[in-house]
Amino acid sequence: EVQLLESGGGLVQPGGSLRLSCAASGFTFNNYAMTWVRQAPGKGLEWVSTIGDVNSGGNTYYAASVKGRFTISRDSSRNTLFLQLSNLRAEDTAVYYCAKGMIGSDFRGQGTLVTVSS
Amino acid sequence: QSVLTQPASVSGSPGQSITISCTGSGSDIGAYNYVSWYQQHPGKAPKLMIYDVSNRPSGVSDRLSGSKSGNTASLTISGLQAEDEADYYCSSYTRTTTLVFGTGTKVTVL
Repeated sequence: EVQLLESGGGLVQPGGSLRLSCAASGFTFNNYAMTWVRQAPGKGLEWVSTIGDVNSGGNTYYAASVKGRFTISRDSSRNTLFLQLSNLRAEDTAVYYCAKGMIGSDFRGQGTLVTVSS
Repeated sequence: QSVLTQPASVSGSPGQSITISCTGSGSDIGAYNYVSWYQQHPGKAPKLMIYDVSNRPSGVSDRLSGSKSGNTASLTISGLQAEDEADYYCSSYTRTTTLVFGTGTKVTVL
């Protein structure tokens, strides 16, 4: 069974940094692109970033709203996906979900809440 | 970053059919057959219900069906049940190698 467990969220001041993790199990991690999607309180879903599968070179893609501030990466030895958040703004406050795949993303975790506030 | 346009709310009585539209452009929905639909209950993670316009993942009810015409995709729920009450989001792959989500539709079962 596919399982995704997000962690690393918390309260951070504007301009601060945070690293989110997503531990994956139940599938061959290296064979799939992995995606981060976020949802601000009371708002809709917003795609944040995708990293390609290892065999295809692991290319990275970002939404315009986070490009240059967020960095997606993956550790094949630990079957873990990461999202490094830097220069955080109030509008980055959201629940961050990781998902298996990009097209037809499969969400299996409960997300991790990032709150940016002074 | 553009978003796909969905009606804010759709409602129906148990047993009825409803359709949710998702309107994009020639750079997303109109460019690929890579439209997905997600169901989200309050406080829960989104659940994939339809992928590649009309395909259902294993375990998803066949009361749900997806289609596309031009720049607009649609999700139809037939035989509406109380458990279908939730928020629904469409998404599409885009020409700029990104994903875009819809504005979301709240489905109410009367």
